[in-house]
Amino acid sequence: ENVLTQSPGTLSLSPGERVTLSCRASQSVAKNYLAWYQQHPGQAPRLLVDDAYTRATGIPDRFSGSGSGTDFTLTISRLEPEDFAVYYCGQFATAPITFGQGTRLEIK
Amino acid sequence: QVQLHESGPGLLKPSETLSLICSVSGDSITSYYLIWIRQPPGRGLEWIGFVQSSGNSNYNPSLKSRVTMSVDTSKNQFSLRLTSVTAADTAVYFCATGTGWTAESWGQGTLLTVSS
Repeated sequence: ENVLTQSPGTLSLSPGERVTLSCRASQSVAKNYLAWYQQHPGQAPRLLVDDAYTRATGIPDRFSGSGSGTDFTLTISRLEPEDFAVYYCGQFATAPITFGQGTRLEIK
Repeated sequence: QVQLHESGPGLLKPSETLSLICSVSGDSITSYYLIWIRQPPGRGLEWIGFVQSSGNSNYNPSLKSRVTMSVDTSKNQFSLRLTSVTAADTAVYFCATGTGWTAESWGQGTLLTVSS
């Protein structure tokens, strides 16, 4: 299976800062079928970015995805208070679908 | 916008069988991949599998021997059956839909606790 590794595990940042999250796959993700999710405590994950760089409906443009092959990133250009959450990447190219272990964004 | 809602028992004893239903509103489930994902408390996401109204399905090999997914188009619902549960199956179970394999719309999740 395609193992996804996210880094860092936890980030402590302040509102207004820019952040880049990393997701590395053990095998190339075909057709860049890589998605990013945001999850707040007690809630379901919310799809942010699909196909590596396509923002989902209603997602603010401060969120941007990039990358290809085995290396992908999610950038939040200017952190808002509601952005502090856990972020997961997931590959949807080959079964079994797999997710990274998550990156937690904390308020500094 | 598709809306999903999971329903299930909440608590099971080891060796029992889990049955979850996902009720979908806002669109016909025949248009989607119907997906189940779970999340153990304090941990990450695990894909269980998907089913389509055509009967096409794909399950996680780690759970395949215990999982069955089915679809009821007349009720716009789909379901998950997981046999022989253990404490390791304790998790929040999410149903989701996608136009492809990506889980796009999610239910709020239902917690299953397995305990004697």
